[in-house]
Amino acid sequence: AQTVTQSQPEMSVQEAETVTLSCTYDTSESNYYLFWYKQPPSRQMILVIRQEAYKQQNATENRFSVNFQKAAKSFSLKISDSQLGDTAMYFCAFMNPTGNQFYFGTGTSLTVIP
Amino acid sequence: DAGITQSPRHKVTETGTPVTLRCHQTENHRYMYWYRQDPGHGLRLIHYSYGVKDTDKGEVSDGYSVSRSKTEDFLLTLESATSSQTSVYFCAVGHAGTGYSPLHFGNGTRLTVT
Repeated sequence: AQTVTQSQPEMSVQEAETVTLSCTYDTSESNYYLFWYKQPPSRQMILVIRQEAYKQQNATENRFSVNFQKAAKSFSLKISDSQLGDTAMYFCAFMNPTGNQFYFGTGTSLTVIP
Repeated sequence: DAGITQSPRHKVTETGTPVTLRCHQTENHRYMYWYRQDPGHGLRLIHYSYGVKDTDKGEVSDGYSVSRSKTEDFLLTLESATSSQTSVYFCAVGHAGTGYSPLHFGNGTRLTVT
């Protein structure tokens, strides 16, 4: 089974600043997909951004972007211009398309400080 | 919104009693999943289904069973609830065979076993 590691259980950032959440994974697959999900206090799981492993270009969604380093098996999430509404738990996830299973990291709790 | 409804939203039950959680989807997704979320563990896969009456085990399937008699419904049963099964349970749906699809989640069921 694939493993996903988020080594930062908790992080904080000042409002309007930039923060980077780290994620590493272990796989022998060459084709796979990576995701970041956000879970605010409401408990809802919200897809933030996705990356296809065969694409070199890093994905970007408004203030959210990723730094995908395939050789290093690293998939970090950068949040620019942090807002109070970004306060949430963030989960990194790996998808193996052949088995159609998703594997999640243990999460990073991000607090945006006013 | 992927049209996913979980019921109940909250439940308190006693040790040793059977419990069934329901997941209902309205968009004809082929794949359905049950996860549990616990602090320090992230989301862990319990069981998943890849079609009507087609199910498979995840990494934490002991003590749980599932059934899928219709495309839209995926039931999770705790055969004899234990305190270690106190958790938040998420249902998720996704597609296979159409490129790739991220998971879309229900709003979760908080289960407390006393």
